[in-house]
Amino acid sequence: EAQVTQNPRYLITVTGKKLTVTCSQNMNHEYMSWYRQDPGLGLRQIYYSMNVEVTDKGDVPEGYKVSRKEKRNFPLILESPSPNQTSLYFCASSSGGRVEGYTFGSGTRLTVV
Amino acid sequence: GEDVEQSLFLSVREGDSSVINCTYTDSSSTYLYWYKQEPGAGLQLLTYIFSNMDMKQDQRLTVLLNKKDKHLSLRIADTQTGDSAIYFCAERSLSVTNTGNQFYFGTGTSLTVIP
Repeated sequence: EAQVTQNPRYLITVTGKKLTVTCSQNMNHEYMSWYRQDPGLGLRQIYYSMNVEVTDKGDVPEGYKVSRKEKRNFPLILESPSPNQTSLYFCASSSGGRVEGYTFGSGTRLTVV
Repeated sequence: GEDVEQSLFLSVREGDSSVINCTYTDSSSTYLYWYKQEPGAGLQLLTYIFSNMDMKQDQRLTVLLNKKDKHLSLRIADTQTGDSAIYFCAERSLSVTNTGNQFYFGTGTSLTVIP
């Protein structure tokens, strides 16, 4: 089944403790992206990647890092999480075709205390 | 990023039509999308429309685009309780400065269908 898989689904952590949220897609998509969803703010893009080793900042990159060493994986790294990074995070991928939208993962709900 | 705006909430009675509205700001050639997010799930693509189209119909869904006013709407006919979800409008700009894979999402409209 074509899908985007994120792990973990739920995570509670403490301020300052480094964490990684993994994302993997099995559709051979070139484009991958991370979004955060907050009430009343919709989805805001954190980082995106156009191909292996090619990444760029989205609208809200502060406090996050990403890497794209392989086509299928696009992990999101929080080196020193803070409470304002408590949010629902979505990974998404796309082939980049003209009409194709993004395929989204099921989300990771992160709480930083 | 670009501004994509939606009202936050909509309630309708089962069997009525729902109309969810969206406005956007980018005037360059654009694809516009509607996504549905059910509770606890990710976003699923419902439909899309290209900016040179006025209307697109797909079963119970009708998308209307007013390019002059930069206004997009999603009409759901015969709304069912299973349609209760958050609906996101998204814009994809194909301008020179954009790689073509920048999607800008609205805030989402939470649709509640009353039995």
